[in-house]
Amino acid sequence: KQEVTQIPAALSVPEGENLVLNCSFTDSAIYNLQWFRQDPGKGLTSLLLIQSSQREQTSGRLNASLDKSSGRSTLYIAASQPGDSATYLCAVGDFGNEKLTFGTGTRLTIIP
Amino acid sequence: DAGVIQSPRHEVTEMGQEVTLRCKPISGHNSLFWYRQTMMRGLELLIYFNNNVPIDDSGMPEDRFSAKMPNASFSTLKIQPSEPRDSAVYFCASSWGRRVNSPLHFGNGTRLTVT
Repeated sequence: KQEVTQIPAALSVPEGENLVLNCSFTDSAIYNLQWFRQDPGKGLTSLLLIQSSQREQTSGRLNASLDKSSGRSTLYIAASQPGDSATYLCAVGDFGNEKLTFGTGTRLTIIP
Repeated sequence: DAGVIQSPRHEVTEMGQEVTLRCKPISGHNSLFWYRQTMMRGLELLIYFNNNVPIDDSGMPEDRFSAKMPNASFSTLKIQPSEPRDSAVYFCASSWGRRVNSPLHFGNGTRLTVT
């Protein structure tokens, strides 16, 4: 059974700094991996989707990488802003399975 | 596009009552998912529909839970009878394609409180 872990559970960073969020998964036979953000009282918003054949995806200040062999993904946020404060979740799509397995998220606070 | 629309946003009910949650997916999406989110267990997939057909309901906790998708633009999740442990935020999400090969779009959720 796939297990997805995100450490740390919470992170505070001064505005303007670059930061990295981590995601690890136990079964490397994945179809894809998605990163989401969740604002308080809201649903999840998809940020980036990486196919299993890809190494990374970029969108603006966000860059997500995928290393299937080690069971890891990172989300890099450049020049952080207060508006980046949210909970970030990663989710793994398992091969042969049509479901996403979600991590428990990292709650990010950007300090002005 | 208005996105995935869920109603109601909040529901407070007493134990034993029937609860119906509603979802309108994004037009053109053919996959629909119901999730439940709690602090203790995170996000859990309850049921998944493709082309209005339930594909996987292994996450439905027990027979008190049922879900329907009578057409491509509407789905319901029903709990009867409700119990306090059902208190959670219930999300509906939709995407295009059978595999989760495209970004998943979530609604804003229904916060259910069962007293």
